[in-house]
Amino acid sequence: AAGVIQSPRHLIKEKRETATLKCYPIPRHDTVYWYQQGPGQDPQFLISFYEKMQSDKGSIPDRFSAQQFSDYHSELNMSSLELGDSALYFCASSLAFGELFFGEGSRLTVL
Amino acid sequence: AQTVTQSQPEMSVQEAETVTLSCTYDTSESDYYLFWYKQPPSRQMILVIRQEAYKQQNATENRFSVNFQKAAKSFSLKISDSQLGDAAMYFCAYRSAYQAGTALIFGKGTTLSVSS
Repeated sequence: AAGVIQSPRHLIKEKRETATLKCYPIPRHDTVYWYQQGPGQDPQFLISFYEKMQSDKGSIPDRFSAQQFSDYHSELNMSSLELGDSALYFCASSLAFGELFFGEGSRLTVL
Repeated sequence: AQTVTQSQPEMSVQEAETVTLSCTYDTSESDYYLFWYKQPPSRQMILVIRQEAYKQQNATENRFSVNFQKAAKSFSLKISDSQLGDAAMYFCAYRSAYQAGTALIFGKGTTLSVSS
């Protein structure tokens, strides 16, 4: 069965640079979520989209923005990167009220 | 705001034995979903089991079952016949049922070790 696809899987950036993460949801899933997970921590919710509209917002820094496109894929844009942004970034997708299915994550390292 | 609490940072079990992971949550909502997710060393987040709050019957998935006590706001996970592959971080999670796309709220997780 098709799963959530995230790209790139690994990304290395310098401080103050910009990074873009992409997420392709499971076909027919209309909702996308972004989470950030530091080492040994629980996933922290950033933002979600339902039918291309922002649905819920968590602890997403102002330096980050995201959107869901007409084909339901989503992109997370991160600017002015800081060392503390180094983390595993998960995308998940679901039907409106269904369980979340997670991608394998994108590992961002900021040097 | 809803919160999820897992009071056991670490648990251990021997192969073939049974272990129970605890989870409590706080909410003023009456309709919601509860989940257990497993995160092995690969860090892939895998859904283990799901429970709808309106269902009184406890969910079961093969060796995994839950004890859902709505009044007590408790949602424990029982793993029977534990296997080495069950070793992972387990997260309890809550999600409101009132709006599409609302966040899945995670507990801090319980690290489960399985010994042979």
